[in-house]
Amino acid sequence: LAKTTQPISMDSYEGQEVNITCSHNNIATNDYITWYQQFPSQGPRFIIQGYKTKVTNEVASLFIPADRKSSTLSLPRVSLSDTAVYYCLVGLNFGNEKLTFGTGTRLTIIP
Amino acid sequence: NAGVTQTPKFQVLKTGQSMTLQCAQDMNHEYMSWYRQDPGMGLRLIHYSVGAGITDQGEVPNGYNVSRSTTEDFPLRLLSAAPSQTSVYFCASSYGELAGDTQYFGPGTRLTVL
Repeated sequence: LAKTTQPISMDSYEGQEVNITCSHNNIATNDYITWYQQFPSQGPRFIIQGYKTKVTNEVASLFIPADRKSSTLSLPRVSLSDTAVYYCLVGLNFGNEKLTFGTGTRLTIIP
Repeated sequence: NAGVTQTPKFQVLKTGQSMTLQCAQDMNHEYMSWYRQDPGMGLRLIHYSVGAGITDQGEVPNGYNVSRSTTEDFPLRLLSAAPSQTSVYFCASSYGELAGDTQYFGPGTRLTVL
């Protein structure tokens, strides 16, 4: 199980690009890298997933270096509605590895 | 599709009482799981199921039972509630068990044990 390390909290102003980096030094070859978003009083929601290099969807981009020991979630031009907790998950199998969502990064967008 | 539904939304119990938290999904997902979320602790896996009739323990299973008689339903039973079980409980489902499969979460049940 690859342990992940993320900043506990981040603040950003509206309209800026936000980058949240997750460290996972002991990632295994077949592990997925997945990011989830959680708003207050709601369950987490899938944002993006990648294996290597760069992945982009309508919500975010995910940058993964060649050694895969870290990953960076990039949110372009954030708005107040992006205020949430962001979780980085690294692993192959939810059940067998008993994957848990760590404390995540609490992102606060300032008007 | 309703997705993942959970009932009740809120519940207050007294120490020693038992209850069942309900979870249902209409996406025909094989994998279902229960998490609890405590302040500053993230989400921790309680129990999971890879299909009807198959369940297994997660990281924090003590004090909880589960069963999976159908693909759709995955109830979580608290046998004898304790104040330490005060938490927000989330049910999730996904097509498979792989971390590459998107997990869909329910709205949660906020449980208080007095």
